Amino acid sequence: GQQLNQSPQSMFIQEGEDVSMNCTSSSIFNTWLWYKQDPGEGPVLLIALYKAGELTSNGRLTAQFGITRKDSFLNISASIPSDVGIYFCAGLWGSSNTGKLIFGQGTTLQVKP
Amino acid sequence: EAGVAQSPRYKIIEKRQSVAFWCNPISGHATLYWYQQILGQGPKLLIQFQNNGVVDDSQLPKDRFSAERLKGVDSTLKIQPAKLEDSAVYLCASSLAVNYGYTFGSGTRLTVV
Repeated sequence: GQQLNQSPQSMFIQEGEDVSMNCTSSSIFNTWLWYKQDPGEGPVLLIALYKAGELTSNGRLTAQFGITRKDSFLNISASIPSDVGIYFCAGLWGSSNTGKLIFGQGTTLQVKP
Repeated sequence: EAGVAQSPRYKIIEKRQSVAFWCNPISGHATLYWYQQILGQGPKLLIQFQNNGVVDDSQLPKDRFSAERLKGVDSTLKIQPAKLEDSAVYLCASSLAVNYGYTFGSGTRLTVV
């Protein structure tokens, strides 16, 4: 079935550093989304991407939809302690009405103050 | 708007016992999903409802898992009998249009001992 591979699996960085993570798939997706999950909570949507090559920002977060539609990237600039959590990419499989999201295995981010 | 409500937050049961989880989606969201998230992994879809009909239950272990959505609103997920490998967080999500992403509940953490 469809599978999304995220890298790196985990990152331990110093506060203030920039962070990059990516997500790749063997399948084409027409919509990519990035979620963040805090401990004990459900994932929360950060950014949604709808067009190949699209670059979208949300505050210090920037995500890009790869040209091949088989990958996506998430960058976090000037990391702060509250960025700690697990970041998931997700691709939409199926239509916008009846489709479902396929999730990667996550990138765990730890930030040292 | 109120978020997706799930209960209970935590449940510990012995193997071979049964357990049920409840979800109340965001008002007006026609599509409801149940995901299983095993520690260290991304969420995996168990079942998807559109109103009160099942769209996709291909990954639901039907010999022990069942789910229903009452009157197209609330949903319950049941496991009977539980196995040790069912220990996971069970996430409920709802969406108006999936390409805008889901809203997740906080999840139910199940421990089977």
